Amino acid sequence: AQKITQTQPGMFVQEKEAVTLDCTYDTSDQSYGLFWYKQPSSGEMIFLIYQGSYDEQNATEGRYSLNFQKARKSANLVISASQLGDSAMYFCAMREGLSTGTASKLTFGTGTRLQVTL
Amino acid sequence: NAGVTQTPKFQVLKTGQSMTLQCAQDMNHNSMYWYRQDPGMGLRLIYYSASEGTTDKGEVPNGYNVSRLNKREFSLRLESAAPSQTSVYFCATSGGGEFNPTEAFFGQGTRLTVV
Repeated sequence: AQKITQTQPGMFVQEKEAVTLDCTYDTSDQSYGLFWYKQPSSGEMIFLIYQGSYDEQNATEGRYSLNFQKARKSANLVISASQLGDSAMYFCAMREGLSTGTASKLTFGTGTRLQVTL
Repeated sequence: NAGVTQTPKFQVLKTGQSMTLQCAQDMNHNSMYWYRQDPGMGLRLIYYSASEGTTDKGEVPNGYNVSRLNKREFSLRLESAAPSQTSVYFCATSGGGEFNPTEAFFGQGTRLTVV
């Protein structure tokens, strides 16, 4: 079974509009972390936002917010006021095994390619 | 402050040749990871490690070996390269504890072509 599922291979959004990128996850751990990364065409991985499994409030970082629905095991990324520079691949990731004291496994989804249009 | 240093950046191998990808971090993180990235597949975990001398298999370990030489270094070895191993390889590290895990920090990637 996929640990991280991103069902949108590609998305288009107009500049200045908001967009939601979907992510669902599967884990039996009680303690885990969810991350979103951006990968522009240059290839580097850029960290955007983090949500801990114990956090009751949704995480926000500037124009990025994470819509965390624990019971549904979803962690969708919301980008507000899209900019042309937001065009990139976006990956959802989960870090498990945080409470075990051993290596915490970090698993990525297959990504969503976002294109921002004028 | 180098962060995560991954070498080489580019490599072309012939089928059957061997090579080692090197990764070193100066962030004092316990966890280190090797991924491969192929179009449409995202980043797939090859191996990961909690500390010196300990390694665990990820999703796609076949055809690879790893060594966690010390806390700083985590190498990935291809013993007999195959064209199916053509990919972009990323090393990453992460730290922190249960309630304050850090994000992963990535090397710049190695673009490997096996012909």
